[in-house]
Amino acid sequence: AQKVTQAQTEISVVEKEDVTLDCVYETRDTTYYLFWYKQPPSGELVFLIRRNSFDEQNEISGRYSWNFQKSTSSFNFTITASQVVDSAVYFCALSEATSGTYKYIFGTGTRLKVLA
Amino acid sequence: NAGVMQNPRHLVRRRGQEARLRCSPMKGHSHVYWYRQLPEEGLKFMVYLQKENIIDESGMPKERFSAEFPKEGPSILRIQQVVRGDSAAYFCASSPGQGTRNSPLHFGNGTRLTVT
Repeated sequence: AQKVTQAQTEISVVEKEDVTLDCVYETRDTTYYLFWYKQPPSGELVFLIRRNSFDEQNEISGRYSWNFQKSTSSFNFTITASQVVDSAVYFCALSEATSGTYKYIFGTGTRLKVLA
Repeated sequence: NAGVMQNPRHLVRRRGQEARLRCSPMKGHSHVYWYRQLPEEGLKFMVYLQKENIIDESGMPKERFSAEFPKEGPSILRIQQVVRGDSAAYFCASSPGQGTRNSPLHFGNGTRLTVT
């Protein structure tokens, strides 16, 4: 069965600190896709990144980086030198390629507060 | 290049009334998902539709809730005889199609339903 766990409910950091948001997933599929979304205080959901299960290469985009490790079923998200504008709820999500389900399963989210 | 359009943005209903939430997918997208977000909680899958078909409604409450995606016009999520527990943000998302599960979901800005 699909499952996404974001154990950190809320994290507070001071501006310019680095912060890592954890995501652990469960799936029986060998081919699957992982996503991160950001939900700022305004409420919309913003797509950040997609990762295929067969591509374990880490990715960096500006201050954002993602560490995908199949061995631990984790897809963690790190923000370097955090800024107040990074304050948001971040969701990790999973989609399976070959199962009969069509759902994208979301974790419960991690609320990040970056203090000035 | 309009994104996913949801309306209304805010909806207030008294207990027992009906709520109709509308969603127009991105241009070229033929698949629509509805998710519910309760206050301080994550996104819960409700239903997945393509034009004129419900593909997966495993997340829909058995009573009072229904969804459709007609050949012409937006997708509609209908909640009959609303109760206070229905108060939540309802998000619609679209994707290009069934064979593209690696595609990120594109979300609308949500409809915030308040039942008084």
